[in-house]
Amino acid sequence: GQNIDQPTEMTATEGAIVQINCTYQTSGFNGLFWYQQHAGEAPTFLSYNVLDGLEEKGRFSSFLSRSKGYSYLLLKELQMKDSASYLCAVRDNSGNTPLVFGKGTRLSVIA
Amino acid sequence: KAGVTQTPRYLIKTRGQQVTLSCSPISGHRSVSWYQQTPGQGLQFLFEYFSETQRNKGNFPGRFSGRQFSNSRSEMNVSTLELGDSALYLCASSPFQGNNSPLHFGNGTRLTVT
Repeated sequence: GQNIDQPTEMTATEGAIVQINCTYQTSGFNGLFWYQQHAGEAPTFLSYNVLDGLEEKGRFSSFLSRSKGYSYLLLKELQMKDSASYLCAVRDNSGNTPLVFGKGTRLSVIA
Repeated sequence: KAGVTQTPRYLIKTRGQQVTLSCSPISGHRSVSWYQQTPGQGLQFLFEYFSETQRNKGNFPGRFSGRQFSNSRSEMNVSTLELGDSALYLCASSPFQGNNSPLHFGNGTRLTVT
């Protein structure tokens, strides 16, 4: 089976940097996804990591360490609109198994 | 290109009734997945369909069922509704099954069981 852990809630200040961690335990590994979900809306894709290292996309970056079963999502220059839930999801190495999601981290950006 | 469309957006049912939810994937996407989202449990996987065949099934009772049509549209059905079935039901599509292209989600159907 798969076990994915994320902090439940985080608070950060507008303009600051925040790091949202995700740890996972799977029988194999075939990629990790980060999604953003605003209240009442659909989750939207942010980033994908399959190899170790950092993937940068504008203000958002995602890091993966496969040996440690660890990823983080880094949000820079926080804006009020970044207040949302951030979901970590993992697919194991069988390739045909479903994407399994963590319970999400609710981020509140305050002035 | 139009996104994933789910209907209806909101639904109120009473215990014991049944409900059918509909999902139209992005044009050209052949894989459709369904998830149940609740505040306590997050997104829980229900089913995945590809080419009209159920490829994966989550750990839900037999009251939850689904199907996919030849045009890739999908429906899920919940029979004998229970209060605990109240949730946001999300459908997501992708071009293929099991690859690493991201899932594209619809806005969901909010089901309330009273």
